[in-house]
Amino acid sequence: GNSVTQMEGPVTLSEEAFLTINCTYTATGYPSLFWYVQYPGEGLQLLLKATKADDKGSNKGFEATYRKETTSFHLEKGSVQVSDSAVYFCALSSTGTASKLTFGTGTRLQVTL
Amino acid sequence: NAGVTQTPKFRILKIGQSMTLQCAQDMNHNYMYWYRQDPGMGLKLIYYSVGAGITDKGEVPNGYNVSRSTTEYFPLRLELAAPSQTSVYFCASSYGTTTNEKLFFGSGTQLSVL
Repeated sequence: GNSVTQMEGPVTLSEEAFLTINCTYTATGYPSLFWYVQYPGEGLQLLLKATKADDKGSNKGFEATYRKETTSFHLEKGSVQVSDSAVYFCALSSTGTASKLTFGTGTRLQVTL
Repeated sequence: NAGVTQTPKFRILKIGQSMTLQCAQDMNHNYMYWYRQDPGMGLKLIYYSVGAGITDKGEVPNGYNVSRSTTEYFPLRLELAAPSQTSVYFCASSYGTTTNEKLFFGSGTQLSVL
C-alpha cells in the first residue's frame, strides 16, 4: 500500500537559517505529491504540490521537487522566519482516487529569533 | 470566509458514551472527508462523501457513522466511545475529485476517551 515517511521533529532553527524537511514515499502508479502546513490553532492548508516526476512545487519561498528515482519530495526554504513555525505534512494522492490522501506523521518546525 | 468549520474544538468522553462531531463548509464543495490523527501518526481517512446522500468508508471506519443530507454538513457519529478513539479529528472538503485536488481543512477536534 501507499505510505509516506517524514523526518521526525521538532526541528528548531534560528531565523534566516536554511530549512530541509525530508519526505520519502512508497506508492503504486504515479502519485501526486503535496506539502500541507498547519499553523497553530488552524486547519491544514495546502502549501505546494507537484503532479509528475521532476516537477517543482513552490509557494511562499518554500520549494519541493518530485524525485521519482529517489521517491522523495523534500521541502526546502532558503531563509526561514518566525512566522514559518508550524507543523508540515507531506502527503500523496494516488491515481484514480477521490482526493484521498496518504499523510506522513508531520514535522513540527520552531523558528526562534 | 468561514471555509470548513468544526465543532467542538475539545471534548472528553467516558467509555461507552456517544457524540457527534459537527462539520460544515460554505464553499459548495461536493466532496467532504473525515480524517483522524493519532499521536505520532499521519492522518488516516475514516469516511468520505462525494455528494449529498452518498458516503463511503475510508481506511479506518470501524466505530463511526456518517450522514450527508445536505451539501454543507457532514457530521461524524461516534457510538460507544472507546479509548482507541482518542485522537484529533479533521474534517475537510474539496471541489473536485482529481488526484491533485486541493483539500480545505477545518481546525480539528481533539477528543479524549477516558
